[in-house]
Amino acid sequence: GAVVSQHPSRVICKSGTSVKIECRSLDFQATTMFWYRQFPKKSLMLMATSNEGSKATYEQGVEKDKFLINHASLTLSTLTVTSAHPEDSSFYICSAMTTNTGELFFGEGSRLTVL
Amino acid sequence: AQRVTQPEKLLSVFKGAPVELKCNYSYSGSPELFWYVQYSRQRLQLLLRHISRESIKGFTADLNKGETSFHLKKPFAQEEDSAMYYCALSDGGGGNKLTFGTGTQLKVEL
Repeated sequence: GAVVSQHPSRVICKSGTSVKIECRSLDFQATTMFWYRQFPKKSLMLMATSNEGSKATYEQGVEKDKFLINHASLTLSTLTVTSAHPEDSSFYICSAMTTNTGELFFGEGSRLTVL
Repeated sequence: AQRVTQPEKLLSVFKGAPVELKCNYSYSGSPELFWYVQYSRQRLQLLLRHISRESIKGFTADLNKGETSFHLKKPFAQEEDSAMYYCALSDGGGGNKLTFGTGTQLKVEL
């Protein structure tokens, strides 16, 4: 099956710094990718829809200047958490949609810890 | 607004017993419903979708529009079924934007 890879899987940073998380579709092209956030023992909350070559669509309540999304190619979307604070600590998961079947494949997730 | 409810955080059954993971949804249009599974230390993966009407790993789920439910069932639980199960809803707009339930941890005991 199709594989989606996230990097890094874990990152620890200091408060005030920015962190970039990559989401790659390894063996298929994805015009659409999604970014989710998951708090401990909570559901996945959709943050934004990333479309290749255009601006991301953010869900209500998600700060677009805080969570910068770039989808510059058909196989890569990046999420940058700018000026991170401890409350941004979370598990971030991406998914990529195949262009032919519309099926979603998920990355393994990236755990961000902001000190 | 669309919403998915999974009332049970944890469901514990014995091996060979029937399993039913509950999922209810609220959506004004025609939703597409999915079940995703996450095994220990693995990524989320699609288990089944209602439009396929297929059985995967012995699991089935029927969309009941009258009761707005999409419960996941398996007649005989296996130890390898132990995992986290998420019910999800898509608005069917083709964009595959999913709303997830809070998940149910299924534990199959010997």
